[in-house]
Amino acid sequence: QKEVEQDPGPLSVPEGAIVSLNCTYSNSAFQYFMWYRQYSRKGPELLMYTYSSGNKEDGRFTAQVDKSSKYISLFIRDSQPSDSATYLCAMSALNYGGSQGNLIFGKGTKLSVKP
Amino acid sequence: GAGVSQSPSNKVTEKGKDVELRCDPISGHTALYWYRQSLGQGLEFLIYFQGNSAPDKSGLPSDRFSAERTGGSVSTLTIQRTQQEDSAVYLCASSSGTVLAKNIQYFGAGTRLSVL
Repeated sequence: QKEVEQDPGPLSVPEGAIVSLNCTYSNSAFQYFMWYRQYSRKGPELLMYTYSSGNKEDGRFTAQVDKSSKYISLFIRDSQPSDSATYLCAMSALNYGGSQGNLIFGKGTKLSVKP
Repeated sequence: GAGVSQSPSNKVTEKGKDVELRCDPISGHTALYWYRQSLGQGLEFLIYFQGNSAPDKSGLPSDRFSAERTGGSVSTLTIQRTQQEDSAVYLCASSSGTVLAKNIQYFGAGTRLSVL
C-alpha cells in the first residue's frame, strides 16, 4: 500500500460545478496537510495548508482533514476553466523516518473544467 | 530573484553521459529540496539541505545521483552515467527552514530531462 493514495483522474466537470478531490493515507504520524496546484510544464504551487484535523477555507477553496479516517479533501466551488490543472495532495510529519520535513505527495488528480 | 530558479529548463542527453542541474532558491531560504516527478508518478523526494547541516540523502535512488549546495545558496544535482529511467522532471523547492515553515515549500518550474 502506498503511503498516500490519490485518484489520478482525469476529472472533467462543467464550469460552475463543485469539485471534490481526495486523498487517503496510511501513516498516522502525518500532521501537516497541503494541496498544491500544478499547471502543465510548471512547478507545483501551494494552494492550501492545514495542520491536524479540521476545515480551512480560502475563497472558492476549502480543505478538510479527517485524521481519524486518514482522509483529506479539497473542494473547489464555482469552478472555472482557469482551475484546470493537476492537484497534488502532500503531507508530512516532523522527524518522519529521520527526514526533516520532506513532503510525501499523492500522484495528483488531473482536473479539466469545461466552459 | 522573486522565486526558485532552475536551469536548464530542458535537457536532452545520451545514455551514459553525466548531467548537472542547477537550482537557485529564494533569497534567505535556508532549506532546499530536490524532487523527481516521473510520468504518472507523484513527486519523489531525493535530497534535502538545511543550512550547514549534513544533507539528508535518504531519497537518492542510486550512487549515480549526488547533490551539492555551495555557500548555503545555489545547489547542483548531478546524475552520472545517465540511464533512460532517469528521464523525468527534476524539481527544486526551498523554504524558510523554520519548524513549521518547512512544509511551505516553493517550487521552481523544473528541469525536464530526457535520456535517449
